[in-house]
Amino acid sequence: AQSVTQLDSHVSVSEGTPVLLRCNYSSSYSPSLFWYVQHPNKGLQLLLKYTSAATLVKGINGFEAEFKKSETSFHLTKPSAHMSDAAEYFCVVSDYILTGGGNKLTFGTGTQLKVEL
Amino acid sequence: ETGVTQTPRHLVMGMTNKKSLKCEQHLGHNAMYWYKQSAKKPLELMFVYSLEERVENNSVPSRFSPECPNSSHLFLHLHTLQPEDSALYLCASSQELIDTQYFGPGTRLTVL
Repeated sequence: AQSVTQLDSHVSVSEGTPVLLRCNYSSSYSPSLFWYVQHPNKGLQLLLKYTSAATLVKGINGFEAEFKKSETSFHLTKPSAHMSDAAEYFCVVSDYILTGGGNKLTFGTGTQLKVEL
Repeated sequence: ETGVTQTPRHLVMGMTNKKSLKCEQHLGHNAMYWYKQSAKKPLELMFVYSLEERVENNSVPSRFSPECPNSSHLFLHLHTLQPEDSALYLCASSQELIDTQYFGPGTRLTVL
């Protein structure tokens, strides 16, 4: 069975400092991994996706994540936070095929990122 | 309109009401999904449609009834809901069942 643990429910950084949002996963197979971001009153926006190609994945808005199989981690980073990065971030794993043939996405509980001046 | 749209964005209903949520995707995708996002809980998959056929019903109570008349539209019909059904309902679509899912902004539902 697949599962996702986001280690921090809230992270607070100063504008211009690095961002680190931590995610550990459990999977029986070779998973696909995603990070989505949700701004207030908005839907989920895909930040980046890992599908067994390069272990370092670059996404939108300067975010990137590194897949580390030995640590079962997929942490999200950004070198310099911007005020507009304040949002909730979800780590997602997919390795389970639904009965009808689709991928089942398992979501973490989310990390709320606060960016202060 | 681009991407995935949902209407209404906010809905308040009594337990005896009947209402419907609408989702429309403008991406040419073949698969559509309903998710429930409750406070302090991970997103829960409710239903999956592929080429207008339901391929997954994730043990959802019968007071939630999905409908997919074509590959661009997805509805969630609601009747005799309970207060614990209050949540953000998100629609998503993907090109094929195994592809990346793209989400709409959600409908914030409050059941009184």
